[in-house]
Amino acid sequence: EAGVAQSPRYKIIEKRQSVAFWCNPISGHATLYWYQQILGQGPKLLIQFQNNGVVDDSQLPKDRFSAERLKGVDSTLKIQPAKLEDSAVYLCASSLDRSSYNEQFFGPGTRLTVL
Amino acid sequence: GQQVMQIPQYQHVQEGEDFTTYCNSSTTLSNIQWYKQRPGGHPVFLIQLVKSGEVKKQKRLTFQFGEAKKNSSLHITATQTTDVGTYFCAAPNTGNQFYFGTGTSLTVIP
Repeated sequence: EAGVAQSPRYKIIEKRQSVAFWCNPISGHATLYWYQQILGQGPKLLIQFQNNGVVDDSQLPKDRFSAERLKGVDSTLKIQPAKLEDSAVYLCASSLDRSSYNEQFFGPGTRLTVL
Repeated sequence: GQQVMQIPQYQHVQEGEDFTTYCNSSTTLSNIQWYKQRPGGHPVFLIQLVKSGEVKKQKRLTFQFGEAKKNSSLHITATQTTDVGTYFCAAPNTGNQFYFGTGTSLTVIP
């Protein structure tokens, strides 16, 4: 079974530039998560989708971050414009559904460096 | 929002010594999950605890859920170099959004 795919793996941009990350979850997984992991910290949930609908985006900085999952499969996360403090690893995860009793499967992440 | 505190932040042990990390919540949890993240890797699910006082074992790893379902621990017996990594607990809030602890970074000295 293929795992969660993410691209790119690494991205270096200058502040005020835009960047987009892509995630393809495990086939059949209805719930998709985007996390931000700053060095030395635990993953912080940014947004959670159930199929193509947003379940929670309370911790997403909506003035600069946006995400979509239009067809309920793959998803993109965008930052526009980027700030220095956005430097982090962006992890995508998926689970069968939104039940808290399901394990989450994480992708390899995208390491973003903002200069 | 939900907060899960985890201690210690770092732990260095000699190979063969035991290791324990603790996770504490101010509110009662429905369940708690543990993940391991190797250096440069991504979190990988280890186990889930649901019942009050539950104890689960995976080879040298022992996981416990407190009687009040507000705390949990992960204990590794006789650590090996393959145990190196950061161990996270994660728990859902009432809306099923997961909050991860700050993690305990384990270094095993051969």
